Amino acid sequence: AQTVTQSQPEMSVQEAETVTLSCTYDTSESDYYLFWYKQPPSRQMILVIRQEAYKQQNATENRFSVNFQKAAKSFSLKISDSQLGDAAMYFCAYSEGSQGNLIFGKGTKLSVKP
Amino acid sequence: EPEVTQTPSHQVTQMGQEVILRCVPISNHLYFYWYRQILGQKVEFLVSFYNNEISEKSEIFDDQFSVERPDGSNFTLKIRSTKLEDSAMYFCASRTGHGDTEAFFGQGTRLTVV
Repeated sequence: AQTVTQSQPEMSVQEAETVTLSCTYDTSESDYYLFWYKQPPSRQMILVIRQEAYKQQNATENRFSVNFQKAAKSFSLKISDSQLGDAAMYFCAYSEGSQGNLIFGKGTKLSVKP
Repeated sequence: EPEVTQTPSHQVTQMGQEVILRCVPISNHLYFYWYRQILGQKVEFLVSFYNNEISEKSEIFDDQFSVERPDGSNFTLKIRSTKLEDSAMYFCASRTGHGDTEAFFGQGTRLTVV
């Protein structure tokens, strides 16, 4: 069965600095998708960034970028120029295209210090 | 911008009672999902629904749970006889299914079983 592991329960970053959140996963599939979701205190799940496994180029969305290492099954999220509004739980997630149901990691709670 | 809507935002029910959680997915979406998040824990997949039938379900989704799309717009999750351990945040999600893997989440329903 596919699993997603986030080894950092909590992380802290100074405002305007850069932080990297780690995620590893386990799968025997070659075609899949990876996501980072943000969950602010409102509890709604918001998609931050996604990566298709068949694409070698790392995805970027403004201040958010990923380091996708397919062979190592690693998918880390880098947040540049951190802002107070980035403070939230961040969940790494995996899905296979055919069904699309997401398998989540346990999450990393990110605090941003002013 | 289209969004997934869930009602109620918070429901308190007595153990053994039936509850129905309601969701209105985005109108042109074809795949629908229910997830739950026990407080402080990771988000867990419950069930996916496509073409008016369940396409996949997790071990959590036992005979106490059922889903329905009664009228082409609503998507409901029913728990027949609630247990204390059913207390959680329940998220509905939907996606187009046409090669688009992004799942859009509702704001969640907080279910408290007393």
